[in-house]
Amino acid sequence: EAGVTQFPSHSVIEKGQTVTLRCDPISGHDNLYWYRRVMGKEIKFLLHFVKESKQDESGMPNNRFLAERTGGTYSTLKVQPAELEDSGVYFCASSRSSNQPQHFGDGTRLSIL
Amino acid sequence: EDQVTQSPEALRLQEGESSSLNCSYTVSGLRGLFWYRQDPGKGPEFLFTLYSAGEEKEKERLKATLTKKESFLHITAPKPEDSATYLCAVQAGAGANSKLTFGKGITLSVRP
Repeated sequence: EAGVTQFPSHSVIEKGQTVTLRCDPISGHDNLYWYRRVMGKEIKFLLHFVKESKQDESGMPNNRFLAERTGGTYSTLKVQPAELEDSGVYFCASSRSSNQPQHFGDGTRLSIL
Repeated sequence: EDQVTQSPEALRLQEGESSSLNCSYTVSGLRGLFWYRQDPGKGPEFLFTLYSAGEEKEKERLKATLTKKESFLHITAPKPEDSATYLCAVQAGAGANSKLTFGKGITLSVRP
């Protein structure tokens, strides 16, 4: 079974630019989560999809972040415009149901200059 | 607000020297406590889920236990390949809320 796949693995952009991160969950997993780890802090929840619907977006920091999951398969997370404080590692995770363990991708390391 | 505290922040062991990692939590309605292992440049890798106080899970040299306030990850006779960051996370609350709240992690180094 293929794991959670994230693209790109690393992105370096300038402040004010736009970046889109992609996550391909494990096949058959209806639940998809985005998390973020900023330097020196713990991994923090951003949002949760069930199929194509946003179940919980309480962790999204502001309206510069837009997440989509069209068709209930892969998901994208767009940051527009990027700010310095958006730097960090963005992780995606998926699970078959909300009660089962979440399996993580290797993350996208985002650096804003 | 759910809180997870892990201690110590870092732990250095000699190969074969057993020890325990601690995870203390404060939540409203625990649904599950999760242990993950994370290697540098990689995502968290699932190890165990514990659901109720008194529960124990084992996998090779690792054993996880749970009480009403904390969880321990016991490492028996560790090897250098056990070196990694160990993360504890909780899932709490009712309904469809299934987000994980993480601790900062414990970095374990095992010297040969």
